[in-house]
Amino acid sequence: RKEVEQDPGPFNVPEGATVAFNCTYSNSASQSFFWYRQDCRKEPKLLMSVYSSGNEDGRFTAQLNRASQYISLLIRDSKLSDSATYLCVVRGPDNDMRFGAGTRLTVKP
Amino acid sequence: NAGVTQTPKFQVLKTGQSMTLQCAQDMNHNSMYWYRQDPGMGLRLIYYSASEGTTDKGEVPNGYNVSRLNKREFSLRLESAAPSQTSVYFCASSEKKVNQPQHFGDGTRLSIL
Repeated sequence: RKEVEQDPGPFNVPEGATVAFNCTYSNSASQSFFWYRQDCRKEPKLLMSVYSSGNEDGRFTAQLNRASQYISLLIRDSKLSDSATYLCVVRGPDNDMRFGAGTRLTVKP
Repeated sequence: NAGVTQTPKFQVLKTGQSMTLQCAQDMNHNSMYWYRQDPGMGLRLIYYSASEGTTDKGEVPNGYNVSRLNKREFSLRLESAAPSQTSVYFCASSEKKVNQPQHFGDGTRLSIL
């Protein structure tokens, strides 16, 4: 079983739609959690950290459920520029950082 | 504002050749990482160094070696390159604290013929 698993996607949504991505992790001792965005053939870039109480950054909302070992990302009012691959990242107890395989989002006009 | 610098950006090797990928960061981060990314897949951790003087295996360490030369530099070596190691390699660094994210280099695109 992979340590970090994500919805396989792809997600194809119209502009203005709300879309949600899910991620599960296997190591209950994991320390911290992040969502990254990756554009084609580019390096991953931090979208947002995920805090225990949940957090919001504009149109983006991240949630963490430690009991279920589950992380989510909600994007409201999708824009064309949101088209990218979204990567779930988990910091393990040994400071290793593990990535999910990513979920590809395409927002269409 | 260099951040994380990887060299080279592109390389073509023949099977059996050796090569070292270089990575340097100027953010005074304790932790550094090497990943590979194959088409349509996420990043897989090859090796990491939680702090200067330590290195640990990740998910896919076979065929690679690493050296944490100092706090700034973390190199990845392919002793005998194989076509299966054709990939994009990313180096990253982070502060060794909970909730501190990683910062990535631009990647090295490596092809092995």
